[in-house]
Amino acid sequence: GQQLNQSPQSMFIQEGEDVSMNCTSSSIFNTWLWYKQDPGEGPVLLIALYKAGELTSNGRLTAQFGITRKDSFLNISASIPSDVGIYFCAGGASGGSYIPTFGRGTSLIVHP
Amino acid sequence: KAGVTQTPRYLIKTRGQQVTLSCSPISGHRSVSWYQQTPGQGLQFLFEYFSETQRNKGNFPGRFSGRQFSNSRSEMNVSTLELGDSALYLCASSLGQPNQPQHFGDGTRLSIL
Repeated sequence: GQQLNQSPQSMFIQEGEDVSMNCTSSSIFNTWLWYKQDPGEGPVLLIALYKAGELTSNGRLTAQFGITRKDSFLNISASIPSDVGIYFCAGGASGGSYIPTFGRGTSLIVHP
Repeated sequence: KAGVTQTPRYLIKTRGQQVTLSCSPISGHRSVSWYQQTPGQGLQFLFEYFSETQRNKGNFPGRFSGRQFSNSRSEMNVSTLELGDSALYLCASSLGQPNQPQHFGDGTRLSIL
């Protein structure tokens, strides 16, 4: 089956720093999704990407759909304490997939 | 627009019991998927229902089952509970077309004693 490698596994940063995380796959994806999960809650969709090369922003968050269609990046600028949580990437396979493949998550801790 | 609603939020059961979890999807969403989330295993896909039919299934034993009603609400049942079933169970809904993003509820935290 498809595998998604999400890195880094965890990040400890100071407030105000920029953050970058990524996901890579051995297969081509048609869709890349980025979610954030706060403690005790379900994942919330941050950004959805549907086209290779697409760059989409949501406030301080920016995500890109890699040209090869096998990777995606999420950047957070000027981090704040409420950015703390687990960030998941998910990919939708080419040929049409009803169920995305999820990465293992990146745990982000922001020190004030 | 109301989000995905899961009930109950917390459950405590003992080994050997069974449990039923409920999920109400976003209005208009016809697909409901269930996931098990544990610290060591991440998000594990259980199954997906669309139009009252199980359309996709993950690699979980038959003790895990589900169903979907005509109003798209879904229930998940786990029988003969084991200690390892302790987890956060998440429900996600979508329109049901390929590559449509899923939207998650806040989950049911199941603890097995």
